[in-house]
Amino acid sequence: SQTIHQWPATLVQPVGSPLSLECTVEGTSNPNLYWYRQAAGRGLQLLFYSVGIGQISSEVPQNLSASRPQDRQFILSSKKLLLSDSGFYLCAWSGSSGGLEAFFGQGTRLTVV
Amino acid sequence: GQSLEQPSEVTAVEGAIVQINCTYQTSGFYGLSWYQQHDGGAPTFLSYNALDGLEETGRFSSFLSRSDSYGYLLLQELQMKDSASYLCAFPLSSASKIIFGSGTRLSIRP
Repeated sequence: SQTIHQWPATLVQPVGSPLSLECTVEGTSNPNLYWYRQAAGRGLQLLFYSVGIGQISSEVPQNLSASRPQDRQFILSSKKLLLSDSGFYLCAWSGSSGGLEAFFGQGTRLTVV
Repeated sequence: GQSLEQPSEVTAVEGAIVQINCTYQTSGFYGLSWYQQHDGGAPTFLSYNALDGLEETGRFSSFLSRSDSYGYLLLQELQMKDSASYLCAFPLSSASKIIFGSGTRLSIRP
């Protein structure tokens, strides 16, 4: 069966510090991968998606970046965090359903102080 | 552009039936999906409709009308544990980004 791992679950970082969130998927190959951010009480904002190794599409211009160094690994990064980067970050994957079924990691609650 | 609209809140009574609506706007429609998200947790997939009609999964059913750009999630025999946000979503093409509605918060009263 397929599983998705995302860590850490919670993170408190000072303004201006770097960020690296990692997500890995097991039990499937060539998944579509996604990073979303959710502000408190709000919907899911798509940040990045990837349909293959090294293929990253950015949805929102900001100080975040994403990379996919391996087929089932998706990394979200920032060189310098802003207060506005606080939120709930979610990694997800979809497979043969063509995006009709997506499965999420546990999420990372990031607080920038 | 592409968008999904759903009511922000719905209240229902335990044991009753509730319907959560979703209207969408997009070109190149591939289907409508539904997710459940409890407070503080990640969304979990419930069901999807690629074709018109009703799909039933236990107490939950989902309906789609492509001609009306409309779908709904029907929850029967409501239980307190069903209190959560429910999000509709669709992929913008067969293998690309997935867009979510802002979610409908379902509150259940005893």
